[in-house]
Amino acid sequence: GEDVEQSLFLSVREGDSSVINCTYTDSSSTYLYWYKQEPGAGLQLLTYIFSNMDMKQDQRLTVLLNKKDKHLSLRIADTQTGDSAIYFCAVTRGDNDMRFGAGTRLTVKP
Amino acid sequence: DTGVSQNPRHKITKRGQNVTFRCDPISEHNRLYWYRQTLGQGPEFLTYFQNEAQLEKSRLLSDRFSAERPKGSFSTLEIQRTEQGDSAMYLCASARGDRNEQFFGPGTRLTVL
Repeated sequence: GEDVEQSLFLSVREGDSSVINCTYTDSSSTYLYWYKQEPGAGLQLLTYIFSNMDMKQDQRLTVLLNKKDKHLSLRIADTQTGDSAIYFCAVTRGDNDMRFGAGTRLTVKP
Repeated sequence: DTGVSQNPRHKITKRGQNVTFRCDPISEHNRLYWYRQTLGQGPEFLTYFQNEAQLEKSRLLSDRFSAERPKGSFSTLEIQRTEQGDSAMYLCASARGDRNEQFFGPGTRLTVL
């Protein structure tokens, strides 16, 4: 099975909250990331969390980590049309390779 | 802008030709990574350098692929005898020695005809 799984699509209305979910299999993952990719662009690091944390908040972004269930989520408050993009969950054990999910395409409707 | 840069941004080549891509990492970053991303997928790890040493290579990196980072600064990724299945976006990322965040370049999109 895949190392990192995400649902492929999410559609929300402007102003609502978006919650993007991710599950992973490697329990030794120590760093967990969320990246944003807009069409034709590279990946933009949004936020990350260490495995010894269960929550991190950064302005409109809230990351929740349930280490027992190996579940990571990204909540975007007051979602805007500019938030429409593909969001990737990624995990790593340190310096080595990062494992990505297939990405969740977020569509924000006005 | 002092982010990660990659050249060329686009490359179209015929099957069987060799191609080379370049990545210039953020200047103080000693770790450099190459990834490949195909349509509808997340990036897949190819290889990783710490300074000039290539420390890890994925099984995806066949013997037609070679990467170098001769002076521990920029890196090149060469694909020999390209195949249509090599068509993808090739992404480079760099990271500082004491931090784990990887910062990505805009990628090189390769199309093999």
